Amino acid sequence: SYEVTQPPSVSVSPGQTATITCSGDTLGEKYVCWYQQKPGQSPVLVIYRDTKRPSGIPERFSGSNSGNTATLTISGAQAMDEADYYCQAWGSGLWVFGGGTKLTVL
Amino acid sequence: EVQLVESGGGLVQPGGSLRLSCAASGFTFNNYWMTWVRQAPGKGLEWVANIKKDGSETFYVDSVQGRFTISRDNAENSLYLHMNTLRVDDTAVYYCARDRILDSWGPGTLVTVTS
Repeated sequence: SYEVTQPPSVSVSPGQTATITCSGDTLGEKYVCWYQQKPGQSPVLVIYRDTKRPSGIPERFSGSNSGNTATLTISGAQAMDEADYYCQAWGSGLWVFGGGTKLTVL
Repeated sequence: EVQLVESGGGLVQPGGSLRLSCAASGFTFNNYWMTWVRQAPGKGLEWVANIKKDGSETFYVDSVQGRFTISRDNAENSLYLHMNTLRVDDTAVYYCARDRILDSWGPGTLVTVTS
């Protein structure tokens, strides 16, 4: 079965750029979405179809997907961005989440 | 405003059954695929199943294939998940979400499978 892999944790200083990766075989041939989940809350979509940002999501969130790796970039990370982030790959009847990355802003 | 509200969770013994419901409002329900996602306590997200706009096709994660059935009633703006032969490892918060890109989520309903 298809799998995507994320680093368990990423740390970033406030105002710096945070990068979270998602790896999978030929991932660039699939669509990737990214979700933010804060403790006790439901997930929120922050990036869809690799690079698109839903309305209401700050411009500091961006995404890319090529080859075997998709990347979520948070430019100028803020304390409010501290959360778990999940990538999700989908396509051809397949939907799979990565294991999640805990982003710490300190 | 898009709203999704799950219900039907609770405590059930292994081997038992449960039906989850998701009431949708604020959008044209039959224009969207719908999805169930679950999250075991302290764990990550797991896609469970989704269903096409008209209910003509369904897809399941291997671990629930043959035990769970996703369905929808477009006249009632409702999504369902029928869960049979429940196992301890099905214990999770179950979320319904809109579309394949999961652009809106409900608050979730907790299913606990325990003897």
